[in-house]
Amino acid sequence: KQEVTQIPAALSVPEGENLVLNCSFTDSAIYNLQWFRQDPGKGLTSLLLIQSSQREQTSGRLNASLDKSSGRSTLYIAASQPGDSATYLCAVALRGTGKLIFGQGTTLQVKP
Amino acid sequence: EAQVTQNPRYLITVTGKKLTVTCSQNMNHEYMSWYRQDPGLGLRQIYYSMNVEVTDKGDVPEGYKVSRKEKRNFPLILESPSPNQTSLYFCATQQDRTFYNEQFFGPGTRLTVL
Repeated sequence: KQEVTQIPAALSVPEGENLVLNCSFTDSAIYNLQWFRQDPGKGLTSLLLIQSSQREQTSGRLNASLDKSSGRSTLYIAASQPGDSATYLCAVALRGTGKLIFGQGTTLQVKP
Repeated sequence: EAQVTQNPRYLITVTGKKLTVTCSQNMNHEYMSWYRQDPGLGLRQIYYSMNVEVTDKGDVPEGYKVSRKEKRNFPLILESPSPNQTSLYFCATQQDRTFYNEQFFGPGTRLTVL
């Protein structure tokens, strides 16, 4: 059974810091891994999608890596800003159904 | 503008009163699914649909029904809601069943069953 774990559960940093969020999964039989952002009480916004055959994806200040063999992904946020404060979720898409299995999320607070 | 629409956004109802949460997408996506999000449990899939007239159970289908009569719509039906179905519900879509593309999520429906 696929399990997705995100560490840490919460993180507070001063503005301007570079930071790394971690995601690990137990079964490498995935189509892709997706990182989402969720603001309180809101929907999910897709940030980055990494196919199972890819190693990393970049979008602006965000960089996500994928090491399928070790079951790990990281989301790197450069020069963090208060507007980055949100919960970040990673999810893997299972082979066969495409069902997304989500981690519990990391709640990030960036202090001005 | 590409979007996934859910209605209603907020709903308070009573036990046993049938309700439907609608989901509509304008991206011509084949794949649609429903998730619920609960504190401490995260997001869990309820049902999914690979295409019109094709639906299947996710992890937590009990107490829910779905239908996919048109490509753009995927309503979630609670025939007899119970308090344990109080949750935040999300509809999600994806281009097709190759799953090489990202999934898009609707804004969510917050349901309270008294």
